[in-house]
Amino acid sequence: DAGVIQSPRHEVTEMGQEVTLRCKPISGHDYLFWYRQTMMRGLELLIYFNNNVPIDDSGMPEDRFSAKMPNASFSTLKIQPSEPRDSAVYFCASSRTGLGSSYNSPLHFGNGTRLTVT
Amino acid sequence: TQLLEQSPQFLSIQEGENLTVYCNSSSVFSSLQWYRQEPGEGPVLLVTVVTGGEVKKLKRLTFQFGDARKDSSLHITAAQPGDTGLYLCAGVGNAGNMLTFGGGTRLMVKP
Repeated sequence: DAGVIQSPRHEVTEMGQEVTLRCKPISGHDYLFWYRQTMMRGLELLIYFNNNVPIDDSGMPEDRFSAKMPNASFSTLKIQPSEPRDSAVYFCASSRTGLGSSYNSPLHFGNGTRLTVT
Repeated sequence: TQLLEQSPQFLSIQEGENLTVYCNSSSVFSSLQWYRQEPGEGPVLLVTVVTGGEVKKLKRLTFQFGDARKDSSLHITAAQPGDTGLYLCAGVGNAGNMLTFGGGTRLMVKP
């Protein structure tokens, strides 16, 4: 089991540029989550998908952020245009079943993408 | 929005000491999870507690879910340097698949 794979590990970009973060969930996992982690705000849920369909995107900060999941093995989080306040570590996580199910499937996190916007 | 508050935020202790980390909310959660995160990595699940009053042990770590399912605690006995890390509690709301994380407790165990 390769785990959740995120790329790139580090991204440094200038304000105004487009940033695309990538995630490959664990095979067979039906749920995919994008989180953002900062010292000030901790881990915040941005959006999650079930069977490739976005279910809740209420955590997406603003229209500059968008996420897609074209198939079961790939998801992207795009920021356009990027701003310095977007600097954070972005995590992708997947789980086999929903958290609300009687079987509590844990979230499996990737190692994150550290984004720095100058 | 269901909020989880963790205390203390930072804790620095000597090897061999005991410690307790608290996770509190005014909301009821259907279950609560504890994660540990090391630098440069994502959080890793330690345990899930589901029933009010439930106690689970993982070697030197003891997890308890409050009777009302609004709070939880993590107790570490005889802490070791390998326990150093960020400990996060996360609650599953009754509404569905949303996992809300607490702010975390950053633990440092000095040899």
